[in-house]
Amino acid sequence: GAGVSQSPRYKVAKRGQDVALRCDPISGHVSLFWYQQALGQGPEFLTYFQNEAQLDKSGLPSDRFFAERPEGSVSTLKIQRTQQEDSAVYLCASSFGQVYRVNAGELFFGEGSRLTVL
Amino acid sequence: RKEVEQDPGPFNVPEGATVAFNCTYSNSASQSFFWYRQDCRKEPKLLMSVYSSGNEDGRFTAQLNRASQYISLLIRDSKLSDSATYLCVVVSWDGGYNKLIFGAGTRLAVHP
Repeated sequence: GAGVSQSPRYKVAKRGQDVALRCDPISGHVSLFWYQQALGQGPEFLTYFQNEAQLDKSGLPSDRFFAERPEGSVSTLKIQRTQQEDSAVYLCASSFGQVYRVNAGELFFGEGSRLTVL
Repeated sequence: RKEVEQDPGPFNVPEGATVAFNCTYSNSASQSFFWYRQDCRKEPKLLMSVYSSGNEDGRFTAQLNRASQYISLLIRDSKLSDSATYLCVVVSWDGGYNKLIFGAGTRLAVHP
């Protein structure tokens, strides 16, 4: 497809369940980000990949959160033992270049995966 | 204190009005600045970059004030379709690379 694709679009999980969220970035995009957006808030950084290398995972809120991008394209964000505070929209974004360069700021976002933990 | 702060609004303005938002940032070493637009239940999309000299794109003007550490977005002749949340993005150096930090957004509602 032409844009960033995320699945599932909506996920309802019972507290304690594990979930996996998928991101299919724009083909050829080197950089991939995951953000968490709570209702009424801006996107909060979770983690960053440059190709298959996870260069920054400082935003992951706990060790229940894990992300991977094994072949440098599709990425999966996994949340183990979900809690109610994990309810949010999880946004994936990609960028062609190594976005960590001055003046590089255009990220292409997917529509997000809305997670509700009951 | 958050690294990037915005007035959440909402700003309720009539069509045709001029409206301005500010965004302050705390890291004086921040290098690049952007405005993104996010429609309700949609993903953020880049609206415009913010240059030191200021820049204009149609009805939209972005300004940067490094001394006071804020950026602004001015919208002239507001349209109903401008109703959205406007996110300020600051790119800051963080231990080896630049990180994009989003503000919480300012909500604009344009009414007839």
